[in-house]
Amino acid sequence: AQSVAQPEDQVNVAEGNPLTVKCTYSVSGNPYLFWYVQYPNRGLQFLLKYITGDNLVKGSYGFEAEFNKSQTSFHLKKPSALVSDSALYFCAVSALSGSARQLTFGSGTQLTVLP
Amino acid sequence: GAGVSQSPRYKVAKRGQDVALRCDPISGHVSLFWYQQALGQGPEFLTYFQNEAQLDKSGLPSDRFFAERPEGSVSTLKIQRTQQEDSAVYLCASSPRTSGGLGNEQFFGPGTRLTVL
Repeated sequence: AQSVAQPEDQVNVAEGNPLTVKCTYSVSGNPYLFWYVQYPNRGLQFLLKYITGDNLVKGSYGFEAEFNKSQTSFHLKKPSALVSDSALYFCAVSALSGSARQLTFGSGTQLTVLP
Repeated sequence: GAGVSQSPRYKVAKRGQDVALRCDPISGHVSLFWYQQALGQGPEFLTYFQNEAQLDKSGLPSDRFFAERPEGSVSTLKIQRTQQEDSAVYLCASSPRTSGGLGNEQFFGPGTRLTVL
């Protein structure tokens, strides 16, 4: 079975400061890792993914994530946070499971960027 | 271009009523997924379609839940005899290829918020 843990329910950061949202995973075989963002009353929006190759993945809106196989982590980062980054962030993992290619999500981290 | 759309956006049902939730995926997308998102939680997988074939329904919580995609495009999630624990946001997602999750991002709709009284 695959699983994702997001240890922080809430992350607060001042505007202009770097931000990190943590994610660890458990999966059999090679993981496919994703970050999604959810704004109020809107669906999840794709930010970035890791499939293979370079451990540092760059995505939308200046976000990046670092894949660390030994620590089974995939933390989301941004060098300089914006107030508009405030939202709910979900880490997800997928692996072949039967005939489905389902995503398994973490419980989410609410990011608040303070002006 | 149009994204994934879902209707209705909000649904209030009395306990015991049947409900039907609709998903219009992005045109041409082969894979379609339904997820259930309880308050304060991440989405949880319900079922997966590849075109019109329902290849995985292992996440459906009970036999009161039924999903179909008869022509390989629009999908309907039906819940019979709704219970209060069915209250959640139901998310639909589509992906252009058959390996919807394996390396390919899923495109999500805005969800239908179901409240069962």
